[in-house]
Amino acid sequence: GAGVSQSPRYKVAKRGQDVALRCDPISGHVSLFWYQQALGQGPEFLTYFQNEAQLDKSGLPSDRFFAERPEGSVSTLKIQRTQQEDSAVYLCASRTDDNSPLHFGNGTRLTVT
Amino acid sequence: GDSVTQMEGPVTLSEEAFLTINCTYTATGYPSLFWYVQYPGEGLQLLLKATKADDKGSNKGFEATYRKETTSFHLEKGSVQVSDSAVYFCAPGGYNKLIFGAGTRLAVHP
Repeated sequence: GAGVSQSPRYKVAKRGQDVALRCDPISGHVSLFWYQQALGQGPEFLTYFQNEAQLDKSGLPSDRFFAERPEGSVSTLKIQRTQQEDSAVYLCASRTDDNSPLHFGNGTRLTVT
Repeated sequence: GDSVTQMEGPVTLSEEAFLTINCTYTATGYPSLFWYVQYPGEGLQLLLKATKADDKGSNKGFEATYRKETTSFHLEKGSVQVSDSAVYFCAPGGYNKLIFGAGTRLAVHP
């Protein structure tokens, strides 16, 4: 079956612009995660959903970052007034339940100029 | 909070050499432990996992044993191949998230 799908694959934004990154998890996967991966670093946790409920948003770096999953499937990560330090690969992952491994998408590479 | 420390790279080996990538972690309770791999140009993939103490995860010739007493989960492979060249991430995980190490880049030369 299809894996986790993220779009766009690449996004270039001018500083100050708003961006929206989309994640389509694997069908039936209850849990959805967003991670941020800076160049040469490991993924850093941003936020976690179980169905439509955002259970943990402790990793969001500022109030410019907002994530939603209104119907418990597709999720959108929105970054307002982008800054250069937001440049990174944004990874989405999903899993069936708490004991299952995460399945990752290929990520969206965001470059803020 | 939970954290993980893994061996710094890059690790450069010749084909058929023995590989060890060290990983230690701090966590509340007894998390599941994972190794993920990122091949060039691809997304993160699960390599192996262990869910309780003394469990050994294995896949594609790689192995790692959950050592509760040393809070470690070192990755080993007896004979690496060029196709194993990738970045390897250790990740302890509770029910709500995985914490990733910085990654160890492995380069295997023929």
